Amino acid sequence: DTEVTQTPKHLVMGMTNKKSLKCEQHMGHRAMYWYKQKAKKPPELMFVYSYEKLSINESVPSRFSPECPNSSLLNLHLHALQPEDSALYLCASSQPPRIGANVLTFGAGSRLTVL
Amino acid sequence: GQQVMQIPQYQHVQEGEDFTTYCNSSTTLSNIQWYKQRPGGHPVFLIQLVKSGEVKKQKRLTFQFGEAKKNSSLHITATQTTDVGTYFCAGASGYSTLTFGKGTMLLVSP
Repeated sequence: DTEVTQTPKHLVMGMTNKKSLKCEQHMGHRAMYWYKQKAKKPPELMFVYSYEKLSINESVPSRFSPECPNSSLLNLHLHALQPEDSALYLCASSQPPRIGANVLTFGAGSRLTVL
Repeated sequence: GQQVMQIPQYQHVQEGEDFTTYCNSSTTLSNIQWYKQRPGGHPVFLIQLVKSGEVKKQKRLTFQFGEAKKNSSLHITATQTTDVGTYFCAGASGYSTLTFGKGTMLLVSP
């Protein structure tokens, strides 16, 4: 069982909808990440939160809006998405502060389809 | 920016054959990590290498980090059907975030 829980597992939304992806970890990690993964591609970093503060935004379009309410929770708010945004969205956590040096624990992902 | 190249992109072996995937970085790495993603699953951490020339083993899996800390390999001895999946290397330099290689998809026929 993964120690990083993501909901929902599957989401279908229209281009005008607003939805949210949720992630929760109980590992005591203080860095949390959102990755996007297209089929047969590696995970692509979107955002990093360290100690509940946004530390990295990899030039992600504003239709994706991250939020970190506390050290255990991470949300990704979705609005006015495009069909090309359909992908597996992975949440991960690790110990900060050396972001690149720390091992990532991934959640099972939320598979998003935008119609 | 930092690039991590991984080859081969795909390999299909018969059960019992060996398998190796290779990663090369354009820059010297502070560490390299390996992840496995089963079909329909999510990446799962396998191992982290930090020292020049480091070799680590996990049962049938052998991981190496090059002397120059720019390349790494994962070797599986006597593959089993449970080894099926995509193997990703991911490297970082200093305080940079991890850069993932494109992955090697392994298929094992019984």
